[in-house]
Amino acid sequence: DAGVTQSPTHLIKTRGQQVTLRCSPKSGHDTVSWYQQALGQGPQFIFQYYEEEERQRGNFPDRFSGHQFPNYSSELNVNALLLGDSALYLCASSLDNSYEQYFGPGTRLTVT
Amino acid sequence: AQSVTQLDSQVPVFEEAPVELRCNYSSSVSVYLFWYVQYPNQGLQLLLKYLSGSTLVESINGFEAEFNKSQTSFHLRKPSVHISDTAEYFCAVSDQMDSNYQLIWGAGTKLIIKP
Repeated sequence: DAGVTQSPTHLIKTRGQQVTLRCSPKSGHDTVSWYQQALGQGPQFIFQYYEEEERQRGNFPDRFSGHQFPNYSSELNVNALLLGDSALYLCASSLDNSYEQYFGPGTRLTVT
Repeated sequence: AQSVTQLDSQVPVFEEAPVELRCNYSSSVSVYLFWYVQYPNQGLQLLLKYLSGSTLVESINGFEAEFNKSQTSFHLRKPSVHISDTAEYFCAVSDQMDSNYQLIWGAGTKLIIKP
């Protein structure tokens, strides 16, 4: 079982650019959640996808959007990047109606 | 709104000494409580959880945490730490009424083991 995988591992972008991060959930999981973890802070919930729809959203602007594919994998898109978007982006997968989330290793995004 | 406070950003402790990492949450509504561990350059791993029942929960590697409803706390303890316990520990809370199990996180505590 591969667990949750994320790509790329690291990414450097310039202010104003757009970025796409990818996540493959643990085998058998159908729900994907995305978190932003700034340096020295705990993860902040961005949104959750289930059945290819955004089911719940945290306090993030519309520049943050996502998608879930029929195979349950997911993408996180961030438009018009700001310096403050620099963070570790974590993907977590779970079964619907389950408390237990499995996390990927994250994508480290640096905006310059 | 629910919030989680981990009072200590870093806890240095000598190897084989006991340790307590503190976690308090704000709301007294019924909650699920979790401790996650993040080893250097790795993702978050679930360490232990409280869902219901016994207020003392244990992990397979010697950690335990006790749910205290009156103090809205879920402190993590280990009687004797090892160098391999060096990591950052995060406390997280989920409202039992939230069917999506959204997690609210503390800022984390770095456990630093001194030889």
